[in-house]
Amino acid sequence: NAGVMQNPRHLVRRRGQEARLRCSPMKGHSHVYWYRQLPEEGLKFMVYLQKENIIDESGMPKERFSAEFPKEGPSILRIQQVVRGDSAAYFCASSPTGGRNEKLFFGSGTQLSVL
Amino acid sequence: AQSVSQHNHHVILSEAASLELGCNYSYGGTVNLFWYVQYPGQHLQLLLKYFSGDPLVKGIKGFEAEFIKSKFSFNLRKPSVQWSDTAEYFCAVNADTGRRALTFGSGTRLQVQP
Repeated sequence: NAGVMQNPRHLVRRRGQEARLRCSPMKGHSHVYWYRQLPEEGLKFMVYLQKENIIDESGMPKERFSAEFPKEGPSILRIQQVVRGDSAAYFCASSPTGGRNEKLFFGSGTQLSVL
Repeated sequence: AQSVSQHNHHVILSEAASLELGCNYSYGGTVNLFWYVQYPGQHLQLLLKYFSGDPLVKGIKGFEAEFIKSKFSFNLRKPSVQWSDTAEYFCAVNADTGRRALTFGSGTRLQVQP
C-alpha cells in the first residue's frame, strides 16, 4: 500500500513563474491537507480539502495560491507568479475520514526554490 | 485560535541521557494532542497521540507523553535516548471546535551524540 506521494521532490522556479505541486493521498483517503515549512518555523497549515471540495483555506494566502482535489487524480497546490518568499518545503498529508483525532499520513514533501 | 509552543528549538544530548521536550498549547476546550517525528530525509510520522483516557500515553520507540490539563502541556519523554533518535520533533493540537486541521508547533531539533 503506497504512502502519500508528492512530486516533484524538488522544484526550481524563477520569479514570476508558476509552481504546481502534486499530492496523491494514500489509497482510500479522501481528505488532504497542505502545510508549508519554513526554516525554524515548523509546519504552517495552508488548506484542507476533501474530494472536489475545499473545507478550510484559512491558512492560504488570498492571492497567487490555489488548491484543488478533483474527483480523479492528485491534489494540486498551485502558486502563480512565485516570489522568493515562496521558497519552502510544502508537505501534503492525508487521512481516511478527516476525524479530529485521526492520524495524518505525510508525504516526503516538495522543496520549492525560487531564484 | 489554537496555538502550540515548543520552547526548545535545539537540544543536544549524549546517548543514554533522558529526554524531555516541552509542548504547551493554548485552547481551553477539549483537545487532541499529537507528537510527530521527522527523521533526516524522511517524512513526518506519528509518535503518539492523546484524545481521551489515561493522560500518560505511550508511543513507539519507547517514547511517552503526559497530558497535564491544568498546565496546558503535553511534554514528550524518553528515559534513555539513542543515536537513532536524532530527528526533529513536532507537537500538534487539534481542538474540538474551530479548525479541523492540526496546528503544529515550531519543532525541536534533537541531536544525540554517540
